[in-house]
Amino acid sequence: GQNIDQPTEMTATEGAIVQINCTYQTSGFNGLFWYQQHAGEAPTFLSYNVLDGLEEKGRFSSFLSRSKGYSYLLLKELQMKDSASYLCAVRDSGENSGGYQKVTFGIGTKLQVIP
Amino acid sequence: DAGVIQSPRHEVTEMGQEVTLRCKPISGHNSLFWYRQTMMRGLELLIYFNNNVPIDDSGMPEDRFSAKMPNASFSTLKIQPSEPRDSAVYFCASSNIDLGQPQHFGDGTRLSIL
Repeated sequence: GQNIDQPTEMTATEGAIVQINCTYQTSGFNGLFWYQQHAGEAPTFLSYNVLDGLEEKGRFSSFLSRSKGYSYLLLKELQMKDSASYLCAVRDSGENSGGYQKVTFGIGTKLQVIP
Repeated sequence: DAGVIQSPRHEVTEMGQEVTLRCKPISGHNSLFWYRQTMMRGLELLIYFNNNVPIDDSGMPEDRFSAKMPNASFSTLKIQPSEPRDSAVYFCASSNIDLGQPQHFGDGTRLSIL
């Protein structure tokens, strides 16, 4: 199966930069997703990494190191509206995934942005 | 474009009653997922359909849960009989998994079993 770890909660200041880490263990890694979920709402897609390196999309960037089983989501110029949970999700197409591309979600990191 | 549509948005019912949750995926997506989200366990995959066929139902808690996808544009998740521990938010998501696309989630159904 898969093991995905991310911090439960983080607090950061408006205008600052915050890095949310995610580590995973999987037998057949085939991509990592980051989703944002505001309280009471559905998760929405933020970013996707399948190769090592940094993917930048506006104020948000996501990094992946496949050899280390590690990813992070970087949020710059934090705004109050960035207060949300951030979910790391790993796609696995290995033997333990039942032969299909299974996506497993981490528990999520609840980020609180304070003035 | 219409997103994933779920109904009802909220459901409150007494234990022992049958509950049916509905989902309309995004047109053209070939994969549909049912998830349950709770504070303690996060987002858990219940069942996954590909081209209307159930591929993985290992996440379905027990025989009280069943899911169907009679055609490409409709799926149901049924709980019978319902129990208080089934209270959670149930999300439906769809994607085109063959192209490695992300999942698009519906707004969810907030289910409370009294």
